[in-house]
Amino acid sequence: EDQVTQSPEALRLQEGESSSLNCSYTVSGLRGLFWYRQDPGKGPEFLFTLYSAGEEKEKERLKATLTKKESFLHITAPKPEDSATYLCAARFGNEKLTFGTGTRLTIIP
Amino acid sequence: DTEVTQTPKHLVMGMTNKKSLKCEQHMGHRAMYWYKQKAKKPPELMFVYSYEKLSINESVPSRFSPECPNSSLLNLHLHALQPEDSALYLCASSSQAGLDEQFFGPGTRLTVL
Repeated sequence: EDQVTQSPEALRLQEGESSSLNCSYTVSGLRGLFWYRQDPGKGPEFLFTLYSAGEEKEKERLKATLTKKESFLHITAPKPEDSATYLCAARFGNEKLTFGTGTRLTIIP
Repeated sequence: DTEVTQTPKHLVMGMTNKKSLKCEQHMGHRAMYWYKQKAKKPPELMFVYSYEKLSINESVPSRFSPECPNSSLLNLHLHALQPEDSALYLCASSSQAGLDEQFFGPGTRLTVL
């Protein structure tokens, strides 16, 4: 069964304290790895798509990377407005996205 | 324009009511999706429409009835819902089903009394 697992479940950082969120997935048949940000009560906001191992994408303080079995979302010098739940999702060859359970990130001023 | 719009933002309904959720996109996307999301859980796929035809139905109860009138619009008709159906209902679209990223709308917060 295709699976996506995110860790940690929750993360609290001081403003400016860099860290990484992890997303591991079933190895076979990955057709795309997606990162989303979700604020409470709102729809997920698309951040990045990664397709192949070694690929990296950046946007402001965020950088997403992909290896053969996991993806990382690196956050550099975060600010309080980066607080949100970060979801990763994988496509394993059909029309469905399989979502992880998310990492709730809190940045403390 | 990468916007997916949903109406209404909030909906409260009784178990005997009939209501509809609406979703619209103007990005020329040919795939549209309905998801259900409970608190502190990831979105769960309900339905996928590809080129206006239902392509995936994730064994959703018949009290939820999707409709895709055209390539820009997606409706979810609700009838005889249960309190456990209370959730955030999300619409999404992508250029084609099974390709590229999905863009989500802001959601409709549904409460069933």
